[in-house]
Formats: sequence, C-alpha cells, structure tokens
Amino acid sequence: GENVEQHPSTLSVQEGDSAVIKCTYSDSASNYFPWYKQELGKGPQLIIDIRSNVGEKKDQRIAVTLNKTAKHFSLHITETQPEDSAVYFCAATLNFNKFYFGSGTKLNVKP
Amino acid sequence: DVKVTQSSRYLVKRTGEKVFLECVQDMDHENMFWYRQDPGLGLRLIYFSYDVKMKEKGDIPEGYSVSREKKERFSLILESASTNQTSMYLCASSYQGGNYGYTFGSGTRLTVV
Repeated sequence: GENVEQHPSTLSVQEGDSAVIKCTYSDSASNYFPWYKQELGKGPQLIIDIRSNVGEKKDQRIAVTLNKTAKHFSLHITETQPEDSAVYFCAATLNFNKFYFGSGTKLNVKP
Repeated sequence: DVKVTQSSRYLVKRTGEKVFLECVQDMDHENMFWYRQDPGLGLRLIYFSYDVKMKEKGDIPEGYSVSREKKERFSLILESASTNQTSMYLCASSYQGGNYGYTFGSGTRLTVV
C-alpha cells in the first residue's frame, strides 16, 4: 500500500516568516493530495488540496506544490500568523476511498 | 453546515470495560472511517466501511470491532478496554469515489485507567 512520510515533525517560525512542510509518497498511482490543519481540541480540517494533473495551487497565504516525478509535495505558508499554529497533516490517495496520512507537523508561530 | 458528530469529547473508562464510540454524519456519505491519533504516530486507520453492514480492517484492528447498521452511523467498539488504547479517536466520512477529502469529527479523547 501507499506510504506517506512527512517532515519536519516540529517547526517553529517567527510571525511573518514562511513555513514549508514536505511530504513524500510511494505509490506513483496516487492522484490526490490534501492537506489538513488540526487545531488544539479539534478534528483535522481540509485547508488545501492538489490533484496529480496540477503542479501548483495557491489560496491566499497557503500554496501546495507537487512533483510527480520525485513523488513529493509540499505545503507553503507565507506571512505566518499566530493563528497558523496547529498540527498539519498531508495525505495521499489513488481512489478517494482510502487516504494515507503523514505523521504530522506541529507548527508553532512565535509572535 | 455539514457535520460529522462524535458523541463524546472525553471519556474515562476502566480496564476491561466494553466501550462504545459513536459517530454520526449528516452528509449521506457512503464511506466512514475510524482512526486513532497518537503523538509521533500520526493517524492510524483502525476500521472502515464502504456501505451499511460492511466493514474492513485497517492497519491496527486488534482489540477493536465496528458496527454499521445505518448509513449515517458508524460505531467503534473496544471489546475489553486496555490502557494502551488510551488515545484520541477520530471518525471521518467521505463520498465513495468522490472528488474530495475526508470530513472529520472533533474527536473523542479516551482514557483507560
């Protein structure tokens, strides 16, 4: 089955700086890659996603890039704010019926 | 607003008890999933279901069972709770073959003492 690895496990940045979280996947057939944000005491919420026919997608301060050849994808957060502090998960799927998750990155944005 | 609702936010149970965790979704999703979340281990799939009365084992099914008698409800059962089952449990749902990711519930933090 698919295996998704995520790095780093923790990330601390100063408010206003950029943050980058990287994931690699093993199954070249995977074709959909969502990112989830989990705030303290809450369930993960979908924040952005990308499909295999697209190389980059942006939504305001967050963007995701996909390199199919290298089988890795990344989440980029610019102009970080304290409310961006959370745990972020990447995931991959090839049929939308079952998702494989990375181990999570705890992002701390220092004011 | 679409929702996945988990019946309890916090639960404390004794070792050996039979524990039921309930999850209800109002989106008419075919697929439902139970994950447990532990620090450093991410989200691990326990069981999932693609249809009523149907279930499949995930990566860590030992010590758990599930029930799906109605489309909207998916229950996780700990047959005899043990301290190593202390964890955050997350329920999720999705459309079968759909074009979107999961919708998650808020989680149940279970402590077994």
